[in-house]
Amino acid sequence: NAGVTQTPKFQVLKTGQSMTLQCAQDMNHEYMSWYRQDPGMGLRLIHYSVGAGITDQGEVPNGYNVSRSTTEDFPLRLLSAAPSQTSVYFCASSPGQNTGELFFGEGSRLTVL
Amino acid sequence: AQSVTQLGSHVSVSEGALVLLRCNYSSSVPPYLFWYVQYPNQGLQLLLKYTSAATLVKGINGFEAEFKKSETSFHLTKPSAHMSDAAEYFCAVRTGANSKLTFGKGITLSVRP
Repeated sequence: NAGVTQTPKFQVLKTGQSMTLQCAQDMNHEYMSWYRQDPGMGLRLIHYSVGAGITDQGEVPNGYNVSRSTTEDFPLRLLSAAPSQTSVYFCASSPGQNTGELFFGEGSRLTVL
Repeated sequence: AQSVTQLGSHVSVSEGALVLLRCNYSSSVPPYLFWYVQYPNQGLQLLLKYTSAATLVKGINGFEAEFKKSETSFHLTKPSAHMSDAAEYFCAVRTGANSKLTFGKGITLSVRP
């Protein structure tokens, strides 16, 4: 039972580089989301999706893009990495039709130099 | 708009002592409320959730929380702390199955021998 799988677990980028954080879930969940976690800030929502083909912005969307072409996958793209995007990123999903518990991946630690 | 407030960033208790972690919420509609725990270098795990059924909710590892609408609170308690409870704890609110999950800033619990 894989649940929510994030790759890579660790990544170091130089300022200006682009990359994609991958997220896949095998629970047939409709709702998927990306959060970033920074010390003293808790978790802040970047983007979310309520189903394939539908995405929306969260609290801190600038500098990030997402797409949802399938139910299973929800990649997060950094267009031009900045040091302010150094963070731990979490992908989470939920079935969408009940009380809304989120299931989290193990996180991706990104450092931008 | 929905939000949660977790006052303070760090709580320290002795092993065997009562654990009390406070959470107050703001929501214009009946909320779903959650407590998550994060152990070092791991993702978030659900401790317990309130879904408009019983106001006293029991979770894993001996934790429980009580929903008090009059106080807009959802405080987390455990009668007797164990060393393994040392972690970061997040309160979160959601107003529907497909709505965003909003987190508090988190509280770090330390347990002294």
